[in-house]
Amino acid sequence: QLQLQESGPGLVKPSETLSLTCTVSGGSISSSSYYWGWIRQPPGKGLEWIGSIYYSGSTYYNPSLKSRVTISVDTSKNQFSLKLSSVTAADTAVYYCARHGPGGVATPGPGFDYWGQGTLVTVSS
Amino acid sequence: SYVLTQPPSVSVAPGQTARITCGGNNIENKSVHWYQQKPGQAPVLVVYDDSDRPSGIPERFSGSNSGNTATLTISRVEAGDEADYYCQVWDSSSDLVVFGGGTKLTVL
Repeated sequence: QLQLQESGPGLVKPSETLSLTCTVSGGSISSSSYYWGWIRQPPGKGLEWIGSIYYSGSTYYNPSLKSRVTISVDTSKNQFSLKLSSVTAADTAVYYCARHGPGGVATPGPGFDYWGQGTLVTVSS
Repeated sequence: SYVLTQPPSVSVAPGQTARITCGGNNIENKSVHWYQQKPGQAPVLVVYDDSDRPSGIPERFSGSNSGNTATLTISRVEAGDEADYYCQVWDSSSDLVVFGGGTKLTVL
């Protein structure tokens, strides 16, 4: 059974960089046809897609966050990571990592079929 | 960018049928996916590609997509179906994932 687990600091200071890692177990992040994504949810609000990555390093980003976001992959550790720079209180949210359903190499497949449990990141001094 | 519009809330009595809509411009030309999210939990995919169900999802959950509206239908609603539901598409014109604002389903 595929499992995803987010890890990283739960508290980040304003203007600093938020860094999270998603560790995949029960399957290989290098499996063809799967993209891996980050989604966040501010307290009491809806879901917001941050971006997605293929094991080769190909990425798609939400244009509203693109200037501050970097998503990378480490196939040797079966992990992918998120960095969000210059954070403010508006970046306080539960951050989820998830796997896209099976699809082509060029674009992510349908939906997100496996999710991590999520991790709350609070931006505060 | 592409916008998905959902009603903030839907209420239904147990045993009845709940219909949650997701509006978008010519949404019938896109594949729509639906998620159920209960408080404090990660979302769960309940319908993908408009009307397919992942393994383990009850047949009571079904989807359709026509014109400018996609619909998630939950038949014989149970108390355990009370949750937030989100629709989602891939906007190929902008290469990005779009979520609807979410609908809170209340079982009366």
